[in-house]
Amino acid sequence: EVQLVESGGGLVKPGGSLRLSCAASGFTFSSYSMNWVRQAPGKGLEWVSSISSSSSYIYYADSVKGRFTISRDNAKNSLYLQMNSLRAEDTAVYYCASLVRGGGWFDPWGQGTLVTVSS
Amino acid sequence: AIRMTQSPSSFSASTGDRVTITCRASQGISSYLAWYQQKPGKAPKLLIYAASTLQSGVPSRFSGSGSGTDFTLTISCLQSEDFATYYCQQYYSYPPYTFGQGTKLEIK
Repeated sequence: EVQLVESGGGLVKPGGSLRLSCAASGFTFSSYSMNWVRQAPGKGLEWVSSISSSSSYIYYADSVKGRFTISRDNAKNSLYLQMNSLRAEDTAVYYCASLVRGGGWFDPWGQGTLVTVSS
Repeated sequence: AIRMTQSPSSFSASTGDRVTITCRASQGISSYLAWYQQKPGKAPKLLIYAASTLQSGVPSRFSGSGSGTDFTLTISCLQSEDFATYYCQQYYSYPPYTFGQGTKLEIK
């Protein structure tokens, strides 16, 4: 079964840091570009960052550029998001999602992990 | 960035109804459009890609159409499990990948 499981969310103060992880199983993780997509409470979906299969290509949304760092470890079938200088507006459920090979849509998605930035 | 606008933002319908949700892109995106369904507390689920191709396992009452700037998601006969929020997403020009603001389908 294809599965993505996020972890690492929690409560953090403004200006703080947090590292999210996403563990993949059931597919050849090293062959797929991976992404983080977030959803603020009661709001829509916002793409955050992408990393290609070999980490050669990395992209960020303007809203997180310079503060967040995406990375992956193909040997561990894991995706990461290092979040620094966190702001209240970063409060959201963070989903990891695989980009379909040869396409630009996301499937599957993890169950999400909640990040709350509050003093 | 390409802006995606869905309409309506929310609406009510009854089981058995035929419903249509519209998604408009701020510039032409050919057929590079996907649709997702999201239920409360759950991750989005892929329904349709390439504007009209049904993802494996998705019921045939769901269909998508359109190209260029205007797209529609149609549910031919609403079932109770279809009440959810639906999002469109463009992948013609990225980054960034962009989503519509969502359409919440509620029970009348």
